[in-house]
Amino acid sequence: DTGVSQDPRHKITKRGQNVTFRCDPISEHNRLYWYRQTLGQGPEFLTYFQNEAQLEKSRLLSDRFSAERPKGSFSTLEIQRTEQGDSAMYLCASGGQGIEQYFGPGTRLTVT
Amino acid sequence: QQPVQSPQAVILREGEDAVINCSSSKALYSVHWYRQKHGEAPVFLMILLKGGEQKGHEKISASFNEKKQQSSLYLTASQLSYSGTYFCGTEGTGNQFYFGTGTSLTVIP
Repeated sequence: DTGVSQDPRHKITKRGQNVTFRCDPISEHNRLYWYRQTLGQGPEFLTYFQNEAQLEKSRLLSDRFSAERPKGSFSTLEIQRTEQGDSAMYLCASGGQGIEQYFGPGTRLTVT
Repeated sequence: QQPVQSPQAVILREGEDAVINCSSSKALYSVHWYRQKHGEAPVFLMILLKGGEQKGHEKISASFNEKKQQSSLYLTASQLSYSGTYFCGTEGTGNQFYFGTGTSLTVIP
């Protein structure tokens, strides 16, 4: 399977705990995007990488969120000290400038 | 900076046509269109690059007016499988990508 994969698919955590999600993009894509989506809303841009460089980060993203793409391949998104408002679907997509984005299945986070 | 889509929702009978509009306040490099079904990730439909081109395949086509920073998605002879939420996505000269406000499309028999 050469599509975008995300792990885990579901995560339930208690408020205050840290969580980390992983995204494996399509190998030939140099761009990788992270989005957050809540029920009834469109995907909200969080950050994006071109190869290993994090080129943009949404101002909406608090300091509790951090993302890495150490070797320009897979990426991780970490949320520290989770809050109930962090409950959402976290989507990863890969692509390139001017080409389509291919989305992974998402990680659904529930903070209790 | 989020593109605004209209209408917010539309209900069609099979075989009817629909137009979904997307408008941005920023200069655009490209416009993407995606369809998302409930509980699934967005699926790419098409991309239009700066240059005012129009694209289409089968019964779904789109246009991009870069001067007006607007794009429209045209669905003709709608099928039940067209139901879902449609999002435009815009890429400007910066590095952020914004999804539009979404249009819920329901096709009924």
